[in-house]
Amino acid sequence: EAQVTQNPRYLITVTGKKLTVTCSQNMNHEYMSWYRQDPGLGLRQIYYSMNVEVTDKGDVPEGYKVSRKEKRNFPLILESPSPNQTSLYFCASSYRDTGGYGYTFGSGTRLTVV
Amino acid sequence: GDSVTQMEGPVTLSEEAFLTINCTYTATGYPSLFWYVQYPGEGLQLLLKATKADDKGSNKGFEATYRKETTSFHLEKGSVQVSDSAVYFCALSQTGGFKTIFGAGTRLFVKA
Repeated sequence: EAQVTQNPRYLITVTGKKLTVTCSQNMNHEYMSWYRQDPGLGLRQIYYSMNVEVTDKGDVPEGYKVSRKEKRNFPLILESPSPNQTSLYFCASSYRDTGGYGYTFGSGTRLTVV
Repeated sequence: GDSVTQMEGPVTLSEEAFLTINCTYTATGYPSLFWYVQYPGEGLQLLLKATKADDKGSNKGFEATYRKETTSFHLEKGSVQVSDSAVYFCALSQTGGFKTIFGAGTRLFVKA
């Protein structure tokens, strides 16, 4: 089944403790992206990657890191999480670019930072 | 810059009612337009898309037509079901682009 898999689904952590949210897709998509979804603010793009070793900042990149060492994986790293990073996170992938293809989204990771 | 505006919700309908969710956009050139649906506790799913003016996207009884003259992409369904209760997002993306602009989302409640 074609899908984007995120782990974990739920995570509660403490301020400052480094964490990684994993994302993997099995569709051989070139493009991958991370979004956060917050009430009243909609979906905001954090980072995206056009291909292996090629990444760029989205609209809200502060406090996050990403890497794209393999085509299928695009982990999101929070080096020192803070409470304002409590949110619902989605990984998404697309065939090549976002022009006419649309995204396949993961099921989401609900992160709480206390 | 590019933007998407969709009607505020929530929208509450009875089963078998007609649904319209309005979406208008501002963009240069000829972007592709999308509707996504998010069911409770899940990620967004691509519902339908249109890549050029006058195209009609359709899926699961939902339809939307790309209207360049009115810069709109309104979502319609002739007879909604309780299972259609979800949040609907309108979105646009430029050809060859790497950014998708999402609307704020419209929550739909369908009562039995």
